[in-house]
Amino acid sequence: TQLLEQSPQFLSIQEGENLTVYCNSSSVFSSLQWYRQEPGEGPVLLVTVVTGGEVKKLKRLTFQFGDARKDSSLHITAAQPGDTGLYLCAIRGGSGTYKYIFGTGTRLKVLA
Amino acid sequence: DVKVTQSSRYLVKRTGEKVFLECVQDMDHENMFWYRQDPGLGLRLIYFSYDVKMKEKGDIPEGYSVSREKKERFSLILESASTNQTSMYLCASTWGGGGEKLFFGSGTQLSVL
Repeated sequence: TQLLEQSPQFLSIQEGENLTVYCNSSSVFSSLQWYRQEPGEGPVLLVTVVTGGEVKKLKRLTFQFGDARKDSSLHITAAQPGDTGLYLCAIRGGSGTYKYIFGTGTRLKVLA
Repeated sequence: DVKVTQSSRYLVKRTGEKVFLECVQDMDHENMFWYRQDPGLGLRLIYFSYDVKMKEKGDIPEGYSVSREKKERFSLILESASTNQTSMYLCASTWGGGGEKLFFGSGTQLSVL
């Protein structure tokens, strides 16, 4: 059983469209991270959310941590081809550990 | 900026060969990790190290070993490569004491024929 479920698995949209991807679990987390992995590169951290209900914005990207700290969403406004990549959510495996657990990812393609 | 460098971008090996994947980071990070990435399975942790000569198994350590003789270098070893080890291998590092951000290398795409 996957601890972190991401949906959708794949998404192909036109430039200028909006989209939302989700990261869900039955467990409560102290914090959650979102990474983006561009083709041919390793993942790069976009944001860390810590407080239930927290909303963080990074230009056209809006990240939300669920009130119960079991889920998170990433909303992209007016997607651009540069947003193409694999979006991964991740959590620490537990207090006192540096083991990070990743979701299966959402692969986004934005067509010009 | 932190740099995590993986020695090879692409590697092709034969079944049964011993394979070394090297990773070097330049920010004095205590913690280093090896993940493999497969379509539909996300990133799965193979091994991690929290100090020189210290290591802990991740979720899928079978068929792999690691070596950390120097703080900046973390090596992944496939003692006898098999076709099911064909995958993208990602190295990552972070500082100790609650470091929250993982820094990744660009990955090594390994094909075992």
